[in-house]
This record gives sequence, structure tokens and C-alpha cells, in this order.
Amino acid sequence: SYVLTQAPSVSVAPGQTARITCGGNNIGTKSVHWYQQKPGQAPGLVVYDDRDRPSGIPERFSGSNSGNTATLTISRVEAGDEADFYCQVWDSSSDQYVFGPGTKVTVL
Amino acid sequence: QVRLQESGPGLVKPSETLSLTCTVSGDSISRYFWTWIRQPPGKGLEWIAYVHSSGNTNYNSSLKSRITISVDPAKNQISLRLSSVTAADTATYYCATLVSGHSDYWGQGTLVSVSS
Repeated sequence: SYVLTQAPSVSVAPGQTARITCGGNNIGTKSVHWYQQKPGQAPGLVVYDDRDRPSGIPERFSGSNSGNTATLTISRVEAGDEADFYCQVWDSSSDQYVFGPGTKVTVL
Repeated sequence: QVRLQESGPGLVKPSETLSLTCTVSGDSISRYFWTWIRQPPGKGLEWIAYVHSSGNTNYNSSLKSRITISVDPAKNQISLRLSSVTAADTATYYCATLVSGHSDYWGQGTLVSVSS
């Protein structure tokens, strides 16, 4: 089955840029979606299809995907961005949806 | 805007069947695929299954033998049944829309504990 990898945690100072990576074999050939989950809340979609943002998501959230790594970038990080972030793909070979293990973003 | 509300017993005994319902409002249930996702306490997200009102279904291969998922358009509900539960099935269970591989709308989740 397809496996996604994410760093367990990322720390960033307010106003700086956070980069959250999602690794997978040839992930660049798949559509990657990103979810933000704040404590006690359901996940929410922040980026879909590698780089598109749902309505209401700030432009500070951007995505890219190439080779074996997809990246969610949060520019001008704010305290309210502190959350767990999960990447997700559909693996066509197994017809299964797969989530990454998640990255906890801490704002210093 | 689509709104989803999960419901079901918060406690299930080991070896019994977990049954959850997701009630949809704000849009036609036939318009979307629907998915269940779970999250054990303090852990990450796990995809369980998806279903469409046409009958199209797909299941997590590791859970397939224990899952039944269905849609009831008359009640605007999606249901999930997971049989032979163990403590490892203790989790918050979410229902969500599934469109082009991603989930725009989620319920708030319901915590199910498996314990005697």
C-alpha cells in the first residue's frame, strides 16, 4: 500500500514561513490535498489538487508537488495557524485513500 | 452549504457492532460521494470507506471484512457499521463529503469508545 511520510513537528516564529512536507513515491504524479486540524475540531481542507485553495482560505496557504515531495507553505505565520496538518492522496493502484501521519505546527 | 452531523452510541462492547449515522442537510445527498474517516485519541486520520447513492462503494482494505456503509436518500443519511470491534476501534468517527478525492465538508465527529 502507498505510504506518506511527514515530519512529526515544525516550529516557526510569527511572521516567518512554515514549510510542511509530505513524502511519497512519485507523489508528484498524484493530487495532494492538505487538511488543518486545530485542537478539539474536525479537520478542514486548506489546499486541494496540490495548489488550489478552497473559498475562505487565505493566500498565505500555498501548495506545491513535484517528484517525491509535496509541500504546504504557510507564509507570514500567525498564532492562529498552530495546528496539526495532514496530507492526503488517492492511490490508484490500490484504490485506497491514504493520509499522512500528520505534522504539528507550533508557533513560537 | 452542506452540514453533516454524526450520531450513535458513545460506548460499544468488544466483539459487538458499532453503528453510526451521518445526517446531511443543506444539499442533496445524491450530489456527493460520502466518506467516513476516523481518528484514534491522540493519533492521525484513517480513511474507512466511501459510498455514493448510486451504490458505488469502496473500503479500506484493512477494515473491509468488517465494514458496511450505505446511503438512505429518503432520510438524507449515511450509515456505517463496523463489526467485531476491539479497543483498537476506539476513535472519533467523522463523516465528510468526497469530491474529486478531497473532503470539503466534515461533521464535527463522534467519539466511540470500545470497552466492556
